[in-house]
Amino acid sequence: GESVGLHLPTLSVQEGDNSIINCAYSNSASDYFIWYKQESGKGPQFIIDIRSNMDKRQGQRVTVLLNKTVKHLSLQIAATQPGDSAVYFCAENLSGGYQKVTFGTGTKLQVIP
Amino acid sequence: GAVVSQHPSRVICKSGTSVKIECRSLDFQATTMFWYRQFPKQSLMLMATSNEGSKATYEQGVEKDKFLINHASLTLSTLTVTSAHPEDSSFYICSARVYGGKNTDTQYFGPGTRLTVL
Repeated sequence: GESVGLHLPTLSVQEGDNSIINCAYSNSASDYFIWYKQESGKGPQFIIDIRSNMDKRQGQRVTVLLNKTVKHLSLQIAATQPGDSAVYFCAENLSGGYQKVTFGTGTKLQVIP
Repeated sequence: GAVVSQHPSRVICKSGTSVKIECRSLDFQATTMFWYRQFPKQSLMLMATSNEGSKATYEQGVEKDKFLINHASLTLSTLTVTSAHPEDSSFYICSARVYGGKNTDTQYFGPGTRLTVL
């Protein structure tokens, strides 16, 4: 289902440290997962995706881990920078056919210089 | 590549008027476009799915007569908020799915349109 929250959970991280943002998804049938970054007043920006036949995928400074057993997704950001400050959303959907993306609640990442 | 634009970026209107928001895929064709609404400090809520040449599919609770969607071409979808009221004030975001590309599951988002109804 869709998650709505009035108060975004916030993660504060020192610049240069690694960040880990967690997400629990709801639909066990979902087979495609995406992480988006949203800066204030802007649309979501694609970061990285992963399909259900994988449990780990790496990009530039980012890694996504998928645990289907507990329906958990995480985004790891290495050497966090001030420009990483934003709200991060995980999203789940079923690939192919009618594609409906369901967004998680979101986590606000604050990078402390 | 995969750039999605929205116009206008901000709009202020009087209560009772209608507002049209455009969503364009600039460098790719999109069979499907999605419209979302986002209230402050909340997640994106899907309003409707728009397929080129056919009627939009609305999510439960979204009034199709109030939020008119037209997807006339593979690069343009429009959302018209009819008889807007202050409670319609929100951040409206569209996304587009690439048609026939290597990865047709990825959605690319527009920059959003801030609607304020006075």
